[in-house]
Amino acid sequence: AQSVTQLDSQVPVFEEAPVELRCNYSSSVSVYLFWYVQYPNQGLQLLLKYLSGSTLVKGINGFEAEFNKSQTSFHLRKPSVHISDTAEYFCAVMAVQGGKLIFGQGTELSVKP
Amino acid sequence: DSGVTQTPKHLITATGQRVTLRCSPRSGDLSVYWYQQSLDQGLQFLIQYYNGEERAKGNILERFSAQQFPDLHSELNLSSLELGDSALYFCASSVSQRSTDTQYFGPGTRLTVL
Repeated sequence: AQSVTQLDSQVPVFEEAPVELRCNYSSSVSVYLFWYVQYPNQGLQLLLKYLSGSTLVKGINGFEAEFNKSQTSFHLRKPSVHISDTAEYFCAVMAVQGGKLIFGQGTELSVKP
Repeated sequence: DSGVTQTPKHLITATGQRVTLRCSPRSGDLSVYWYQQSLDQGLQFLIQYYNGEERAKGNILERFSAQQFPDLHSELNLSSLELGDSALYFCASSVSQRSTDTQYFGPGTRLTVL
């Protein structure tokens, strides 16, 4: 079985500051890793995913994440945030052999002017 | 716009009632997934269909059922509703059933049980 822990439920940050949203996972098998974003009153949108290869993954809207197998982490980063990045961010895992997408509890990113 | 449509957007009903939520996947997608998002449970996988057949089951209650029709749209039926069933229900679709496929989410149906 897999589980995902997002270490911060809320992250307030000022516009143009860097941000890191932390995600740790637990799994007895190899997994694929995902970050989704949910804007207010909308569905989830994929930001990026790690399947294999380079551990640094670039996604949409200037976000990137780094897979660290030894620390079982997949932290999301952006060097300079905008007001429009205000949203809820979800880290998720899925076993390589298939199964269900397991989500973390979400991190609410609030970007202030 | 993900290309996944869900109807209705909002649904208000009473305890004990039965409702049906509808999902149309993106054109060409064969897999449909249902998720429930609530404040206490977070985002949880309910069930997956692939080309009309059930493929995976998550934390779906026995009072809930789903199906995928020949035209690939899906319906989630919730019966004997309880207050705790109030949640946002998302449908997602993907092109196949590979774990590498991206799941595209619809805008959700917000269910309120009074």
